[in-house]
Amino acid sequence: DIQMTQSPSSLSASIGDRVTITCRASQGISSSLAWFQHKPGKAPKSLIYAASTLQSGVPSKFSGSGFGTDFTLTISSLQPEDFATYYCQQYNSYPWTFGQGTKVEIK
Amino acid sequence: QVQLEESGPGLVKPSETLSLTCTVSGGSISSYYWSWIRQPPGKGLEWIGYIYYSGSTNYNPSLKSRLTISVDTSKNEFSLKLSSVTAADTAVYYCARVRVVPAALLLDPWGQGTLVTVSS
Repeated sequence: DIQMTQSPSSLSASIGDRVTITCRASQGISSSLAWFQHKPGKAPKSLIYAASTLQSGVPSKFSGSGFGTDFTLTISSLQPEDFATYYCQQYNSYPWTFGQGTKVEIK
Repeated sequence: QVQLEESGPGLVKPSETLSLTCTVSGGSISSYYWSWIRQPPGKGLEWIGYIYYSGSTNYNPSLKSRLTISVDTSKNEFSLKLSSVTAADTAVYYCARVRVVPAALLLDPWGQGTLVTVSS
C-alpha cells in the first residue's frame, strides 16, 4: 500500500494567515492526489483533485501543487470557516489511501 | 444536488455482521461508482471499497475476505456488509460517490457518516 504522510499533524494560525500543508507519498503517484476538508459531524468536502484542480464551487483561496511524491495544499488567507481537518488521498493505485490529517486550529 | 445518507445499526456484537445502507437522493445511482470509507476513533480514514452501478466491485485487500458491497438500483441505494466484526471495526462509516473526471477519480459528495460500535 502507498503510505501518505501529512505534515504538520496540527497547526495554529490566525485569521488572514497563509497556511501550507504538505503531503508526501511513499512512492510516486503522478498527480493522482485529492484534498478534502472535514469539519466535526459534517460530511468531508472535496477541495482539489489531480493535485491542483479546484473542485467546482471551492473558493480560489485554496490551491494545490505537486507531482510524484510531494504535494502541498495552500490556503492563501485563512478565514473562520477554514478551521477544520484537512486530508490528502491518493487514487493512483489500489487500495486508495489517505494521509492522517492536519488539524487547523485558531491561534 | 446529489445527497447521500448512511443508515444501519449503531451497535453490533463481536463476531456478527455489520450491515449499512447508503441511500442516494437528488440523482440516479446509475452510471457512477459508489464507495465506502471508514474512520476509527482517533485514527485516519480508510478506504473500504467501491461498487459500480452494474455490480462490479473493488475491495481493499485488508477487508476483502469479510466484505460484501452490493447495489440496488431500484431503490437507489447501495450497501455494505462486513462479517466477523471485532472492536477494531468500530468506526464512523461514510459513503461517497466516485466521480470519474479527466485523469481523476474523485470522492464527491460524501454522506455525513454513521458511527458503528462493535461491543457486546
